[in-house]
Amino acid sequence: ETGVTQSPTHLIKTRGQQVTLRCSSQSGHNTVSWYQQALGQGPQFIFQYYREEENGRGNFPPRFSGLQFPNYSSELNVNALELDDSALYLCASSLGADEKLFFGSGTQLSVL
Amino acid sequence: AQSVTQLDSHVSVSEGTPVLLRCNYSSSYSPSLFWYVQHPNKGLQLLLKYTSAATLVKGINGFEAEFKKSETSFHLTKPSAHMSDAAEYFCVVSPFYNQGGKLIFGQGTELSVKP
Repeated sequence: ETGVTQSPTHLIKTRGQQVTLRCSSQSGHNTVSWYQQALGQGPQFIFQYYREEENGRGNFPPRFSGLQFPNYSSELNVNALELDDSALYLCASSLGADEKLFFGSGTQLSVL
Repeated sequence: AQSVTQLDSHVSVSEGTPVLLRCNYSSSYSPSLFWYVQHPNKGLQLLLKYTSAATLVKGINGFEAEFKKSETSFHLTKPSAHMSDAAEYFCVVSPFYNQGGKLIFGQGTELSVKP
């Protein structure tokens, strides 16, 4: 088991609503990356935060936003939810630019 | 652009027989390549990582992968499958030099192990 924890584990929302997902990184890690994994697909990179600043973004619209706090925990916010946002959202922590990521178990989001 | 293609969406083997999961990559430079495993209701776990130090990379749980530049392949193997190996496996490339975390995943290969 990694030291990365995500909450909640499951969430059901309706189209148009907003959602906030949370991630606590492994002790000592200052970088958090977020991924979206649709059913039957590989994870897709959403964005990364390093020392509270966004440090790269994948091909996701601006309604996907994030924050990183001084303790390096992170939030992923999604506004105006769409049905296609239904997916497993994974958080991964790492130290700086280290390519070795430690993943949490994810938050399963269902949009109805 | 960097990408990975996993050639099989599903592989089924019998316990005790060899495992071969195939992956081809596309990269304009010598890439960092990884294999991750995902067990049901668990997070992704790194199996092994290639970063040009050696073409044959040994990972955890008896898995290994060989980097073949001429074939642009990075296939994952294990000599003898165990029931606990049943999971989803992802071939992954790091598209940005020395910028970890921004990974590109393949579509995944589901490994089934029959008793």
